[in-house]
Amino acid sequence: KAGVTQTPRYLIKTRGQQVTLSCSPISGHRSVSWYQQTPGQGLQFLFEYFSETQRNKGNFPGRFSGRQFSNSRSEMNVSTLELGDSALYLCASSLGGRGMNTEAFFGQGTRLTVV
Amino acid sequence: AQTVTQSQPEMSVQEAETVTLSCTYDTSESDYYLFWYKQPPSRQMILVIRQEAYKQQNATENRFSVNFQKAAKSFSLKISDSQLGDAAMYFCAYRTPLRGNRDDKIIFGKGTRLHILP
Repeated sequence: KAGVTQTPRYLIKTRGQQVTLSCSPISGHRSVSWYQQTPGQGLQFLFEYFSETQRNKGNFPGRFSGRQFSNSRSEMNVSTLELGDSALYLCASSLGGRGMNTEAFFGQGTRLTVV
Repeated sequence: AQTVTQSQPEMSVQEAETVTLSCTYDTSESDYYLFWYKQPPSRQMILVIRQEAYKQQNATENRFSVNFQKAAKSFSLKISDSQLGDAAMYFCAYRTPLRGNRDDKIIFGKGTRLHILP
């Protein structure tokens, strides 16, 4: 069974640009969550998608957005990049149904560097 | 709001010895899940062990076990017979089960970097 796949693994962008990250969850998982990991702030929750709908959102500015497709694959977009957006972005998938196992499985992350 | 605190930023243990990583959390919920995740240099977050709050019995996975003290809101991880491959950042995490319209997300501690000394 394939794990969670994130692409690309590494990305270098310039301030002001926008970026799109992709996450393919484990087959059968309908929930995809995104986290930002930085040395100073640790792991912070960005948002969660379930069945193509954003179900939960963290405290990030509107420059951070996402979406989920009918095959459960998810994309995260960051517009008008700032130096502080440099981070490891992790995607996690889980079954996601209410009352179901809440175990989350993570991808290897996308390392974004903004210069 | 729920919080997770790991008070040990770094720890070291001799190979083959036992080490305990501490974690405390704060919540007003009675039903929740607790996890320990391991993040090696490869950056892949790997689930080490999980504990359901309604279960009194401490979870165990091979060399990994937890000491879950619900009243004290404490959830420590014990690694027995430490191996070089255990070197990683360990994150304690909390999650409430989905119910109604309640927000659901995983809340992580800041992590403890574990070094294994040969």
